[in-house]
Order: sequence, then structure tokens, then C-alpha cells
Amino acid sequence: AQKITQTQPGMFVQEKEAVTLDCTYDTSDPSYGLFWYKQPSSGEMIFLIYQGSYDQQNATEGRYSLNFQKARKSANLVISASQLGDSAMYFCAMREGRYSNYQLIWGAGTKLIIKP
Amino acid sequence: EAGVAQSPRYKIIEKRQSVAFWCNPISGHATLYWYQQILGQGPKLLIQFQNNGVVDDSQLPKDRFSAERLKGVDSTLKIQPAKLEDSAVYLCASSPLGGRGQKLFFGSGTQLSVL
Repeated sequence: AQKITQTQPGMFVQEKEAVTLDCTYDTSDPSYGLFWYKQPSSGEMIFLIYQGSYDQQNATEGRYSLNFQKARKSANLVISASQLGDSAMYFCAMREGRYSNYQLIWGAGTKLIIKP
Repeated sequence: EAGVAQSPRYKIIEKRQSVAFWCNPISGHATLYWYQQILGQGPKLLIQFQNNGVVDDSQLPKDRFSAERLKGVDSTLKIQPAKLEDSAVYLCASSPLGGRGQKLFFGSGTQLSVL
């Protein structure tokens, strides 16, 4: 069974608009962490934002925020005021608790294209 | 602070040939990962080192892939012999020792094409 699901293979968004990238996850471990990474065409994975399962507040990092809905097992990434440089692949990933060696489980990614 | 260094950036080989990739993690990072990323997919963990010991290599095709981490610092990943399905980007990542909140730092990857 898929542990991380990203349902949007691709998205086109107009520059300056906000965009939401979907991520749902599946775990029975009460202790877990959720990550979003950006992968531009250059290939490097760039960390964007992190949310811990026990964090009370939704994480924010500049223009990035994470809409964490624990009961729905959803961790959507919101990018405000999108820019042309935001065009890239975006991956959601989860790390379960100590018994998994803290390995990251990755989604299949969403390709985001920002239109001028 | 220098990032994770990988080389080569690109490699083209014929099937049944051998190839090696090199990774130098961020100084002081105890954990090193090798991932395989096939086009259109998320990364797949091949092997995880902690210092110079292997933590997990359950998804490493050991009949053809091998990896080592020299003195707990640099690492090499080798494929011998290569198959067509090995065409992918090979990503190296490192992180300090830590728990569930510890993020990974990635190199730019090596893009391998097997013809």
C-alpha cells in the first residue's frame, strides 16, 4: 500500500497566484515527520519545509506553508505568490518513528509549471 | 558551508560495463544515503550508512551493486555489470545523527544512461 500519495502528476499555475500541492500519507506510528522537497531541472533535492506529528502549529518557511490536517492524514504544501523559479518537481516525504531507522518514504512527485 | 559533492555529473555506458559514483558528504554528517531515482518517480533508497557501518541495504541489488564508505566520510557506489534498467539519477544525501525531524542534504546527483 502506498504510504505517501501525491495525486497531482502535473499542475500549471499563473505567476503570482497561490498554489496548493496535495499530499496524503498513511501510518499507524503516532510519531512521524513530514517533509517537502523541491527538485528543479538541475537535479538537486532542496528541502522546503518540515512538520512533526506532534507540532501544534502548521509549519511556515517564507512563502511556503504546510496545511497539516492530522485527522485526514493530509499535509498539503501551499506556495504563496508563485514565481517562475518555482517551476520544478515537488516531493512529499514521511519519516516514521525510531523503528524504521528514520528512513524517508517518498511520494511520486508533482510537476509544477508556473506560467508568465 | 560546502554542500554534498557528487561526481561525475553525467555518465553514459553500455550494458554489461561497470561504473562507479563518488560522494563526499557535508563535513561532520554521520549518516550517508544513496538513492536511485528513475525518471518520473520519487527516490528509492539503495543503502544507508551511519559512520562507516551499513544501517540498511535491503533494496540494494547486491548481485550487481556495491557500496562502501571509507573511514566514515566519502562513499562510492559501484554497478557491475550495468543493465538497461539501471538508467537513472543516483543521488547521494547526508544528515547529522538525529531523529525523525532531521532533514537530508542532497548532492546534485549523477545521471546514468545505460545503452
